[in-house]
Amino acid sequence: AQRVTQPEKLLSVFKGAPVELKCNYSYSGSPELFWYVQYSRQRLQLLLRHISRESIKGFTADLNKGETSFHLKKPFAQEEDSAMYYCALSSPGGYQKVTFGTGTKLQVIP
Amino acid sequence: DTAVSQTPKYLVTQMGNDKSIKCEQNLGHDTMYWYKQDSKKFLKIMFSYNNKELIINETVPNRFSPKSPDKAHLNLHINSLELGDSAVYFCASSQSLGLSLHFGNGTRLTVT
Repeated sequence: AQRVTQPEKLLSVFKGAPVELKCNYSYSGSPELFWYVQYSRQRLQLLLRHISRESIKGFTADLNKGETSFHLKKPFAQEEDSAMYYCALSSPGGYQKVTFGTGTKLQVIP
Repeated sequence: DTAVSQTPKYLVTQMGNDKSIKCEQNLGHDTMYWYKQDSKKFLKIMFSYNNKELIINETVPNRFSPKSPDKAHLNLHINSLELGDSAVYFCASSQSLGLSLHFGNGTRLTVT
C-alpha cells in the first residue's frame, strides 16, 4: 500500500526565514512525487513534481529514495507563501492512484 | 477559460435530500476524479474514471454515485444526505491515471 506522511499540521515561520515542509512516503517501487498548494479558498494546484527537477516560486524538492522523503524547501519565506501544502504520490504504470498526505498549513508571520 | 469547472460552488441542503454536483473539464484529459476534503483539510480520493470507465472506487457509501456521460464530464450524485457528508468536494482531471492533477474550485456542501 502506498502512503504519504506529512508530520506537521502547522508550520509557522517568520518572513525571510527558511522553510522546510516534510514529506515521507511508503511505496515499494519507484513512485512519482508531487507537491500541491492550496491558497485560502482557492483550488489546489500543482506546485512541482520531482521528475521536473524545477524550482517554482522559489520552492524546490528533492526525492531522497534512501530516506523515502520528498521535503519541500524555500530559502526565504514570503507572506504570500502562506497556504496549505499537500505532498502526493503516484504509482507508475497500470492501476494508478494519487495518494495525498494530510497536508501542512504554512503560516508566514510578517 | 476555466480548465476544470464544477457547479455549484456552494450547496446547503437538509439531511435526507438528494443532490448532484457537476464537473466538466475542457483540457481533453482522459481521467477524472472526485476528492473529498473534510473539515481537517484531509484530502481523500473517492472515485476515478478513465475514458468513462470507473477505475478507482474507494470505500465510499453507496449513496454516492458518480456518472460520466462522456470523457469531459464526471458528475457526483449523493442520495439521502447525512451530516457527515458536509465537506468540500473537488473534481480533478489528468491526462492519464496517476499524472499531475488539475483541480476544480471545489463545491462546499453543508448538510443541516
